[in-house]
Amino acid sequence: EADIYQTPRYLVIGTGKKITLECSQTMGHDKMYWYQQDPGMELHLIHYSYGVNSTEKGDLSSESTVSRIRTEHFPLTLESARPSHTSQYLCASSDRTGTGDDEQYFGPGTRLTVT
Amino acid sequence: KNQVEQSPQSLIILEGKNCTLQCNYTVSPFSNLRWYKQDTGRGPVSLTIMTFSENTKSNGRYTATLDADTKQSSLHITASQLSDSASYICVVSDRGSTLGRLYFGRGTQLTVWP
Repeated sequence: EADIYQTPRYLVIGTGKKITLECSQTMGHDKMYWYQQDPGMELHLIHYSYGVNSTEKGDLSSESTVSRIRTEHFPLTLESARPSHTSQYLCASSDRTGTGDDEQYFGPGTRLTVT
Repeated sequence: KNQVEQSPQSLIILEGKNCTLQCNYTVSPFSNLRWYKQDTGRGPVSLTIMTFSENTKSNGRYTATLDADTKQSSLHITASQLSDSASYICVVSDRGSTLGRLYFGRGTQLTVWP
């Protein structure tokens, strides 16, 4: 089992609240990723990071922001949650071999519901 | 457009039976193809990885095949168990960037009944 953790696992919150989804890994991986997944749909990359102080937006436009101050930590923040943000958020990490063949190890996910 | 299509969308089988899941992709240039298993409420876990030159790879009761010419892959599950109930996701990586861009299928939801 991969050593990548996400908290909280489930979150129900009202519209307009600020939230931070936590993700941490103990494998020393340089690359980290955030995906959004709706039921029955494919994973969509919303943010990724090559390493400390590196963050990039993914393919799916997202109003969330991320930071990478420490190698092991990659939190995602929503400044003002809306019902359209209701989804499952998955964090992943991989080794930086540079070949593109890296296996991504996924956390258990955070199921977010915005009422 | 790079895409990954999986079929069937869902499948119900009885415990002990075999099944085969399909994946067709249009990703180019191709780097590798992985099959992931995602249990309900959990993150995906890699089952197999196949590169261009590999035709078959096994992991216990899971056997993946790859036809790079027709851009098709299959995942065969032998002697299914209740714990095999999960979503099986086909993921294709391209060689277009150092990020190793991943293209995800929507998954096949497998249910194994006793």
